[in-house]
Amino acid sequence: SYVLTQPPSVSVAPGQTARITCGGNNIGSKSVHWYQQKPGQAPVLVVYDDSDRPSGIPERFSGSNSGNTATLTISRVEAGDEADYYCQVWDSSSDHQGVFGGGTKLTVL
Amino acid sequence: EVQLVESGGGLVQPGGSLRLSCAASGFTFSSYDMHWVRQATGKGLEWVSAIGTAGDTYYPGSVKGRFTISRENAKNSLYLQMNSLRAGDTAVYYCARNYDRGAFDIWGQGTMVTVSS
Repeated sequence: SYVLTQPPSVSVAPGQTARITCGGNNIGSKSVHWYQQKPGQAPVLVVYDDSDRPSGIPERFSGSNSGNTATLTISRVEAGDEADYYCQVWDSSSDHQGVFGGGTKLTVL
Repeated sequence: EVQLVESGGGLVQPGGSLRLSCAASGFTFSSYDMHWVRQATGKGLEWVSAIGTAGDTYYPGSVKGRFTISRENAKNSLYLQMNSLRAGDTAVYYCARNYDRGAFDIWGQGTMVTVSS
């Protein structure tokens, strides 16, 4: 089955740029989606199809995907961005499966 | 307002069964693929099942043969029948709407399932 690998944690100071990676075999050939989850809340889609933003998501959130790594970039990080972030793909290469990365805890220093 | 509301969670003994429901509102339910995703306390997200608009279903190996996803479009409702439950199935279960290319754009608030004797 397809595996997505994320770093367990990323720390960044307010106003700086946070980059959260998601590794997978030839992930550049797949559509990658990113979710933000704050404690006690349901996940929220922040980036879909590698780099598109749902309505209501700030432009500070962006994504890219190439080769074996997808990246979620959060510019001008704010205290309110502190959360867990998950990457996800729909793997239709063999059996149709939803796959999540293990999640990354973003800490705003 | 587009909304998903789960219900049916609770405490069940190992080997028991439980049926979760998800009520959809604010959108044309029959036009969307739907999913169940779970999250054990302190752990990450795990995709549990999907159902297409035509009723096609998909499961990961961890629940295949034990869980059954279904939908009733006339009632704008999604279901998850869970049989032969194990302690490892303990989690918050979310229903989610499928958006573009397998992204989940709308999530419910979740319902807690605890499998314990």
